[in-house]
Amino acid sequence: DAGVIQSPRHEVTEMGQEVTLRCKPISGHNSLFWYRQTMMRGLELLIYFNNNVPIDDSGMPEDRFSAKMPNASFSTLKIQPSEPRDSAVYFCASRLQQGRTDTQYFGPGTRLTVL
Amino acid sequence: DAKTTQPNSMESNEEEPVHLPCNHSTISGTDYIHWYRQLPSQGPEYVIHGLTSNVNNRMASLAIAEDRKSSTLILHRATLRDAAVYYCILRGAGEGAQKLVFGQGTRLTINP
Repeated sequence: DAGVIQSPRHEVTEMGQEVTLRCKPISGHNSLFWYRQTMMRGLELLIYFNNNVPIDDSGMPEDRFSAKMPNASFSTLKIQPSEPRDSAVYFCASRLQQGRTDTQYFGPGTRLTVL
Repeated sequence: DAKTTQPNSMESNEEEPVHLPCNHSTISGTDYIHWYRQLPSQGPEYVIHGLTSNVNNRMASLAIAEDRKSSTLILHRATLRDAAVYYCILRGAGEGAQKLVFGQGTRLTINP
């Protein structure tokens, strides 16, 4: 199994530009999570989906952030317009929600730099 | 979410056991204790979890206090590859309690 795949691994953009981060969860997993990690705030959950449906987006910082999961094998996190304070490492994680199975499997992350 | 308290950092030597403590005095009866770790430049990875009884797997052991207000992650024989930030997380058992809330964790340094 290839694990959770994220692209791009690194993204450098200028303030005001649209940024799209992509995630392919582990095949068969039915929950997907987006996290953001910064030195100041640590690892924060932004949003998660169950069976492609957004369940909790209370961690999304503001309307500039949006996430979609059009099918079970793909999700995007979009920032429009981007700002320097959005610079962070963004992780996607997936999980098979089955009984008491809890393990989340994280991708390698996308390091975003907004100039 | 119930809160956990961990030391900011710990240091140990290669091939020695490491005991990473976690305090969770406000844990509820249905909260599971999870440990994840994050190696440098990687995403977090699952280590172990438990509810009441001690747990062992190929990576580590989890010792849970009888009153469940604290737990200890045990690496039996540390290697350089175990240098990471270790997170102790409480997670409820209900359908709605699916989030993992990460604290600052313990940064473990392993000396050769």
